Amino acid sequence: DVKVTQSSRYLVKRTGEKVFLECVQDMDHENMFWYRQDPGLGLRLIYFSYDVKMKEKGDIPEGYSVSREKKERFSLILESASTNQTSMYLCASSSRTAYHEQYFGPGTRLTVT
Amino acid sequence: KQEVTQIPAALSVPEGENLVLNCSFTDSAIYNLQWFRQDPGKGLTSLLLIQSSQREQTSGRLNASLDKSSGRSTLYIAASQPGDSATYLCAVLNTGGFKTIFGAGTRLFVKA
Repeated sequence: DVKVTQSSRYLVKRTGEKVFLECVQDMDHENMFWYRQDPGLGLRLIYFSYDVKMKEKGDIPEGYSVSREKKERFSLILESASTNQTSMYLCASSSRTAYHEQYFGPGTRLTVT
Repeated sequence: KQEVTQIPAALSVPEGENLVLNCSFTDSAIYNLQWFRQDPGKGLTSLLLIQSSQREQTSGRLNASLDKSSGRSTLYIAASQPGDSATYLCAVLNTGGFKTIFGAGTRLFVKA
């Protein structure tokens, strides 16, 4: 079974803090994704990575950066957290040959106060 | 720009009822369409995937249909059970694209 794990289920941070969200997958997938999910808006893609050290901006990259130093790990970084970044963050992964078959982690609910 | 809409936003039905969830999309040039299930506070689980050349897919009590020309998909759930209570999301992958576009979901509550 594909397993995608996220470092925290719940996280509370203060405005201005630097926040790291970690995602690890164990299926040797080339592609990894970070989404945020807000009520009424569905999932929106923040960043996508198709290989180590490679990244592409999604629909809402502003205020975020990512790091992929190892194939199995994809980190989302909030350089200076703001209250409008309070959200559910979901990580996903997929293989190059089955791009569309994304496997999701359990999510991290981040609250910025 | 592709947009995916799901109606209704929430639905409450008694156990045993057959029900239909709706999904519409604005650009018919899709590669595939997926239906996902999300339990409260959890990630997404893929239920059914329909390729653009297909009209429907079935898995157990679930049946998903696709009409590309009208930009619509439906998820039919037969003989609903309380365990079906969850949010159901529809998502499309455009032809030649790398981004999956998600709808906001329909929150389903099945009453025992």
